[in-house]
Amino acid sequence: DTAVSQTPKYLVTQMGNDKSIKCEQNLGHDTMYWYKQDSKKFLKIMFSYNNKELIINETVPNRFSPKSPDKAHLNLHINSLELGDSAVYFCASRREASEDTQYFGPGTRLTVL
Amino acid sequence: DQQVKQNSPSLSVQEGRISILNCDYTNSMFDYFLWYKKYPAEGPTFLISISSIKDKNEDGRFTVFLNKSAKHLSLHIVPSQPGDSAVYFCAASATGGSEKLVFGKGTKLTVNP
Repeated sequence: DTAVSQTPKYLVTQMGNDKSIKCEQNLGHDTMYWYKQDSKKFLKIMFSYNNKELIINETVPNRFSPKSPDKAHLNLHINSLELGDSAVYFCASRREASEDTQYFGPGTRLTVL
Repeated sequence: DQQVKQNSPSLSVQEGRISILNCDYTNSMFDYFLWYKKYPAEGPTFLISISSIKDKNEDGRFTVFLNKSAKHLSLHIVPSQPGDSAVYFCAASATGGSEKLVFGKGTKLTVNP
């Protein structure tokens, strides 16, 4: 069973479109994250949710809106897509205890044309 | 501003030899450090971590060393195996755990048979 899953794995779309990426974890974790890995390979945190509450919100354009319908899901919706949004987006989850590691999903490669 | 730096984008070693991957950080508030391993088209997977109260942590073939005064950590893999070929990310946190991670750019390790 996949611990942290993301759909879709690849997403190709036109500028200006709105798209969503879904993430689900079956580990019973309390906290979920979205990361962006850009063309320079930096992996940067975007958001984190704990029990459906937004905890971390880094400097991300408000075109990006995370939504957590329940503890096991954290979706990322992106409005008015721009070329610079092309990247690999990783979802991750973690238990509450501070030393527990984050478990990452396989990533979604988003290409904006 | 890169707070976590992995200055070697790539490293190539022979099977059976030691692999040493280096990481430097600038933020003196970082108190928890992790190494993640990433294969192509997969998400990062946790390898080993170290708290700032220690200077060494060992797990099988993997050892992480922390030099706080130099703000430097390293990952030693002995002996290196072809299956270790991957991108290795160093990550740091100022929260005492893996709650909010700052990642380096990664070092691509190739272990030649």
